[in-house]
Amino acid sequence: AAGVIQSPRHLIKEKRETATLKCYPIPRHDTVYWYQQGPGQDPQFLISFYEKMQSDKGSIPDRFSAQQFSDYHSELNMSSLELGDSALYFCASSLAEDHWGQRNIQYFGAGTRLSVL
Amino acid sequence: GENVEQHPSTLSVQEGDSAVIKCTYSDSASNYFPWYKQELGKGPQLIIDIRSNVGEKKDQRIAVTLNKTAKHFSLHITETQPEDSAVYFCAASGWAGGGADGLTFGKGTHLIIQP
Repeated sequence: AAGVIQSPRHLIKEKRETATLKCYPIPRHDTVYWYQQGPGQDPQFLISFYEKMQSDKGSIPDRFSAQQFSDYHSELNMSSLELGDSALYFCASSLAEDHWGQRNIQYFGAGTRLSVL
Repeated sequence: GENVEQHPSTLSVQEGDSAVIKCTYSDSASNYFPWYKQELGKGPQLIIDIRSNVGEKKDQRIAVTLNKTAKHFSLHITETQPEDSAVYFCAASGWAGGGADGLTFGKGTHLIIQP
């Protein structure tokens, strides 16, 4: 079965540069979520989108922005990168409601490892 | 906001024995509680979930129990196998206006299965 696709898998940037991470949800999924996971830590929720509208907002820095496009893929834009932004960034996708009435079961991609030097 | 506490941080069990991981949550509005398994270098993989209208759910060797009154939920793995070795995260969420609430995760449990 198709899973969540994230690109690139690895990204190396210098301080103060910008980065764009892409997420392609599971086909027919209408909701995407972004999470940041530091080394040895739990994933921290950043932001989510449902039907191209921002739905929930977590601990996303003002330097970061995201959007969901008409084909439901999403991009996380990160500017003025700092050393502390080095982390794994996960995208998850879900269906608002499936055939069994289950809502928003989140499936994660393999992540993008961002290293800021 | 929601706060999820998870114990233990490390759990070592003999192959074939059972493993239990416990979590508590703070927000009584939370109503969805998934468990994820994460292997090194991979994304979290959903293994089982439970909603607040159910007290227990089982899927083969894995079961989850929920006590809404105590705000406590647990993961039970029976007949553990070497491939069960991984980091396990519990999580909690409610439903935002659009229904796409982010998950609040526990700190994780490193489960080690000793052969």
